Amino acid sequence: GAGVSQSPRYKVAKRGQDVALRCDPISGHVSLFWYQQALGQGPEFLTYFQNEAQLDKSGLPSDRFFAERPEGSVSTLKIQRTQKEDSAVYLCASSLTPDRETQYFGPGTRLLVL
Amino acid sequence: GENVEQHPSTLSVQEGDSAVIKCTYSDSASNYFPWYKQELGKGPQLIIDIRSNVGEKKDQRIAVTLNKTAKHFSLHITETQPEDSAVYFCAAPSPQGAQKLVFGQGTRLTINP
Repeated sequence: GAGVSQSPRYKVAKRGQDVALRCDPISGHVSLFWYQQALGQGPEFLTYFQNEAQLDKSGLPSDRFFAERPEGSVSTLKIQRTQKEDSAVYLCASSLTPDRETQYFGPGTRLLVL
Repeated sequence: GENVEQHPSTLSVQEGDSAVIKCTYSDSASNYFPWYKQELGKGPQLIIDIRSNVGEKKDQRIAVTLNKTAKHFSLHITETQPEDSAVYFCAAPSPQGAQKLVFGQGTRLTINP
């Protein structure tokens, strides 16, 4: 079946612009995660949804970062007034239920802020 | 919170030889340990995972061992092939927050033909 998909795959933004990154999780997966991966580093947690509820946003680096999952399926990560330090790969992952630990990752969106 | 350390950061082996990557974790309550393979320009792909009720799990050329007492787990790849070249990440669940993973720093594995 289809895996996790993300769009766009690449995004170049000028400093100060707003961006929106989309994640389509595996159909039926309850849990959805966003991670940020800096160059040469492991993914770092940003936020977690269980269905439409955002249960953990402790990893969001500033109030410029906002995520939503209004209907419990597709999720959008929005970054306002982008800064150069926001340049990274943004990964989305989903898992079947909160009790099933296995997380399946999408290909990521590579964001470059100039 | 959970802290995961991964070694080595780079590893180069001859094709056909074995490769071993090691990780340590800090939270003794952690009970699930996945390994991911990430190729250039792609997202992490789960290759094997182990739960704390077993000490070893094997899937063809890949195996993972877990030592809960010492709080470390290792990835073993035997009969390495060029397509095994990638960056490998270990992870452990954070006790704070539902199921989020804390990743190691990654190991860049290069298989030399």
